[in-house]
Amino acid sequence: QPALTQPASVSGSPGQSITISCTGTSSDIGSYNLVSWYQQYSGKAPKLMIYEGTKRPSGVSNRFSGSKSGNTASLTISGLQAEDEADYYCCSYTTASGFEWVFGGGTKLIVL
Amino acid sequence: QVQLQQSGPGLVKPSQTLSLTCAISGDSVSSNSAAWNWIRQSPSRGLEWLGRTYYRSKWYNNYVVSVKSRITINADTSKNQLSLQLNSVTPEDTAVYYCARSGETSIDYWGQGTLVTVSS
Repeated sequence: QPALTQPASVSGSPGQSITISCTGTSSDIGSYNLVSWYQQYSGKAPKLMIYEGTKRPSGVSNRFSGSKSGNTASLTISGLQAEDEADYYCCSYTTASGFEWVFGGGTKLIVL
Repeated sequence: QVQLQQSGPGLVKPSQTLSLTCAISGDSVSSNSAAWNWIRQSPSRGLEWLGRTYYRSKWYNNYVVSVKSRITINADTSKNQLSLQLNSVTPEDTAVYYCARSGETSIDYWGQGTLVTVSS
């Protein structure tokens, strides 16, 4: 079972905003500001969209933003576009079993 | 621009050893600010971090508990590449395997992925 919990799917219409949640524990998200988010198209490798909870790598649209509250991190995509339809995964650092990166189960974003 | 190019067999027999390599360009496997990871993805297990190697005056490794007894990750500085060996594989090890670079705070670059099927 994935260590982090995400909704299986979310949907929205073009131009709208959506938020994807990622719930962990005090051993991962709650203790470290090291949440990252990845976008993955079918058959492709994941692409880093957000790191350290809120930061965007160079080249990533400012329509993507991240936040955190307690043990839950969130990814918000504003101004939805058809090209945003993909799977999104959260990831966090944890020391629950020594050093480890743990992932969420992924959320399928459907643009209606 | 960091690029990671994976290679290795796509079919491995049960009980044998899965071996993959990852050629690194745009960075050094012995960088003092990066770590080099192997991650796999399957429908049943999702994304699963397997382990990493990194150099900080000497080489270090971390492995996920679930495969710790079966896994070895090595760096080859002469070829600037990373390798994965997973012993005693079963059909449950069937997955897409990725090599990936991480900095202090995130996994930032990924290889293209290699589908490895464990089957006789």
